[in-house]
Amino acid sequence: GAGVSQTPSNKVTEKGKYVELRCDPISGHTALYWYRQSLGQGPEFLIYFQGTGAADDSGLPNDRFFAVRPEGSVSTLKIQRTERGDSAVYLCASSFGTSGSAEQFFGPGTRLTVL
Amino acid sequence: TQLLEQSPQFLSIQEGENLTVYCNSSSVFSSLQWYRQEPGEGPVLLVTVVTGGEVKKLKRLTFQFGDARKDSSLHITAAQPGDTGLYLCAGAAGGYQKVTFGTGTKLQVIP
Repeated sequence: GAGVSQTPSNKVTEKGKYVELRCDPISGHTALYWYRQSLGQGPEFLIYFQGTGAADDSGLPNDRFFAVRPEGSVSTLKIQRTERGDSAVYLCASSFGTSGSAEQFFGPGTRLTVL
Repeated sequence: TQLLEQSPQFLSIQEGENLTVYCNSSSVFSSLQWYRQEPGEGPVLLVTVVTGGEVKKLKRLTFQFGDARKDSSLHITAAQPGDTGLYLCAGAAGGYQKVTFGTGTKLQVIP
């Protein structure tokens, strides 16, 4: 069963380093989302792709964060010059359809720890 | 900025008890969803409500969308340990696909 997969599941890095987080959405899903979640809190929207283009990147906290989806399938979230405050679980979700009420299917997340 | 406040933030109850979780906002949403999330996993959709005043039932769970489409509630009857998890409401405005998640309610059901 091909759900949303995310790699790595855990990433520990040092402050100032560069990291890449990968998301493989469900095949055929045109919409892809990235969220950031702190412990016990709701996911915080980062960016949304419709196909290859970023339809809304208003949630990216600053220019250290960047995401791509070059072929409209796999997406990579890139974080430059990581800071301790970037530590969180990064969730990816995909959906089929163009409505805000479309069901989002989430991956298990990547737990990022910045030391 | 659309904010969704959930209450209570934490809830610890005995098996068999009933509970209600609230999701409130000052903004109007065209649809509202409820998700449940277990540790180490992503949220899983429970229900979507789209009409003001709508009530949906899913076994022991009852979901209601407020008449003004600004708030929602989730009622669980006879809670079971398997209901334990983080409950999240999420709202979407218009046809725009960005979804705003609520602050979350962590539920623990003690056997």
